[in-house]
Amino acid sequence: DIQMTQSPSSVSASVGDRVTITCRASQDISSSLAWYQQKPGKAPKVLIYTASTLQSGVPSRFSGRGSGTDFTLSISRLQPEDFATYFCQQANSFPLTFGGGTRVEIK
Amino acid sequence: EVKLVESGGGLVQPGGSLGLSCAASGFTFSNYWMTWVRQGPGKGLEWVANIKPDGSEKYYVDSVKGRFTISRDTAKNSLYLQMNSLRAEDTAVYYCASYDPKSGCLDPWGQGSLVTVSS
Repeated sequence: DIQMTQSPSSVSASVGDRVTITCRASQDISSSLAWYQQKPGKAPKVLIYTASTLQSGVPSRFSGRGSGTDFTLSISRLQPEDFATYFCQQANSFPLTFGGGTRVEIK
Repeated sequence: EVKLVESGGGLVQPGGSLGLSCAASGFTFSNYWMTWVRQGPGKGLEWVANIKPDGSEKYYVDSVKGRFTISRDTAKNSLYLQMNSLRAEDTAVYYCASYDPKSGCLDPWGQGSLVTVSS
């Protein structure tokens, strides 16, 4: 199975800050990576797929980069509604696997 | 509006069985892969199972193989998860989602259904 390691597990930031989250795969997954945002008590929502493609309706302050084993999700100017938990997910092969999550908290 | 609505969760004793349903609307259900994902209390996301549009192929995470069965009914636009021999570690919110093998992403998701395995 492909292991997905996300870091940091939590980050404190202020409105307007830039935040970057890293996801590392245990083997080459090409660009088969998606990022999700989850707010408490709600289902996850896809932000980015194929590593860097922005889902329709997602603000352009979100961006994704990477290929192979190393990936990043960046939020360029943090907004109040961005405080949430973020997960990466590989889609290279079954079983689909997720990173452990990164909680973005208000400083 | 594309919508997925889960039902069937609840409290069950260890070793018991429970079935979840997911009603789909707003899209051509028969064209899409479907998925179950779960999230234990305070934990991360765990993929559980996938099923092809025609139901001919099914995939499971190792921890549920032989105990859980994913199925679908195109006529009813519904996805199912039959869970047998339940364990405390199966306690979680279970989400259904549509899976696109081209993009690799899960979208949309249902609101989730809580399954609690406890005596």
